[in-house]
Amino acid sequence: SQQGEEDPQALSIQEGENATMNCSYKTSINNLQWYRQNSGRGLVHLILIRSNEREKHSGRLRVTLDTSKKSSSLLITASRAADTASYFCATEQETSGSRLTFGEGTQLTVNP
Amino acid sequence: DAGITQSPRYKITETGRQVTLMCHQTWSHSYMFWYRQDLGHGLRLIYYSAAADITDKGEVPDGYVVSRSKTENFPLTLESATRSQTSVYFCASSGIAGLNEQFFGPGTRLTVL
Repeated sequence: SQQGEEDPQALSIQEGENATMNCSYKTSINNLQWYRQNSGRGLVHLILIRSNEREKHSGRLRVTLDTSKKSSSLLITASRAADTASYFCATEQETSGSRLTFGEGTQLTVNP
Repeated sequence: DAGITQSPRYKITETGRQVTLMCHQTWSHSYMFWYRQDLGHGLRLIYYSAAADITDKGEVPDGYVVSRSKTENFPLTLESATRSQTSVYFCASSGIAGLNEQFFGPGTRLTVL
C-alpha cells in the first residue's frame, strides 16, 4: 500500500488563486518532501520538512506537517500558469533509511 | 554542468531481450536510486545503492539487476524484458540520507513490444 497519498488527485484553478494539496502517510517519518514534475520531465525537489518541524516556507510555497495526524499540506500562493505540473509528496520513513516512498501525485492545472 | 544523466532517453525493445539503462552523476553523491513510473502514477523504487558495491532491493526489484562498480554510475539491467516493464525509468542521486533531497535524471521511456 502507498505510504503517501495525495488529495486531491487533480486540481484546476485560475491564475492568482492559491492551490492546496494534501498528503497523508501511514508510518513514522524522518522527513517529508515535495517534488514537482512537469509533463515528460524528471522530478524537481521543492521543499523538505523534518519530522520535528511544523511549518516551512520557500518563496510562494508553504508546507505544514502534522505528525499526530500523519499529514502534510503544500500551499502554492498566487499561482501562475507555469505552476501547472504534477506534485508528489515523498516520505523518508524512520525504518527505511535513505529510501523515499512517493505518493500518486496531484495534477495541478493553472488556467491563465 | 551535467548533473545526472540517463541514456538512452527512449528505447523500444522486444519481449525477452536484455536491456541496460545507464545512469551517470557528476556530484559524487553516495546514494543512487532507480524508480519506475507507470502512466498516471507515482514512482516506485526498484533498487538503490548507498555506495559503490553496495546495492539493495526496493519495492519492485523482480526482473531487474543493478551494479555499482563506480560511485558515478548505476546501470539498471532488465534481464529478459516483459511487456509489464514498459514504463518511464528515473534515476536519482542523493548526498546524505535524511538531510538532502534527491536529484532526478530526465528519465528513460522504455517500451517493450
